[in-house]
Amino acid sequence: GENVGLHLPTLSVQEGDNSIINCAYSNSASDYFIWYKQESGKGPQFIIDIRSNMDKRQGQRVTVLLNKTVKHLSLQIAATQPGDSAVYFCAESGMDSSYKLIFGSGTRLLVRP
Amino acid sequence: EAGVTQFPSHSVIEKGQTVTLRCDPISGHDNLYWYRRVMGKEIKFLLHFVKESKQDESGMPNNRFLAERTGGTYSTLKVQPAELEDSGVYFCASSQMLPRGGGNTIYFGEGSWLTVV
Repeated sequence: GENVGLHLPTLSVQEGDNSIINCAYSNSASDYFIWYKQESGKGPQFIIDIRSNMDKRQGQRVTVLLNKTVKHLSLQIAATQPGDSAVYFCAESGMDSSYKLIFGSGTRLLVRP
Repeated sequence: EAGVTQFPSHSVIEKGQTVTLRCDPISGHDNLYWYRRVMGKEIKFLLHFVKESKQDESGMPNNRFLAERTGGTYSTLKVQPAELEDSGVYFCASSQMLPRGGGNTIYFGEGSWLTVV
């Protein structure tokens, strides 16, 4: 698959448990952050985004937390389901180049039935 | 509504040959992007179109890569001549406006997997 050769950290969780995926971003000038989910053979799929003037944003079963002090982003998935198994990427962009997303290396989430 | 579509999904070519990847963005999306992931690396930005104009091609690796978007609709990315290190997956994406949140999401296609042998 596409992610072969990319040594991804892996998070293994039991179905029904909550998952927390972490991301450290690089640029303190970044002010817009996105989480993407990528299933095998597919492109990145938008999950949720957050601007730097917020520290938390909730979606359906997902919450993104932003800590600008330590340049840390996390994605929380409630009641993890088998369909959540995928590689998750955080991406950042800055005010002066908002179209240019900088992707992290990704975390593989495995959901045990 | 159709998403971002890319063609071909997979391509195997010999070193020195030419390959052209095509992307059809979501209808009405003026912003079109190309990204790629080569083996063992993160997804990296290549370039950005607004309609038919290249706004930023700072991510294009070298002059063997040529992107076009004539007419401001679909886009092509040509690699000529292809080298072994060009192997990877090439993603096209589009958005209605610049991604500042509030619905200006960047939507990705499923990618074109290129293998150069």
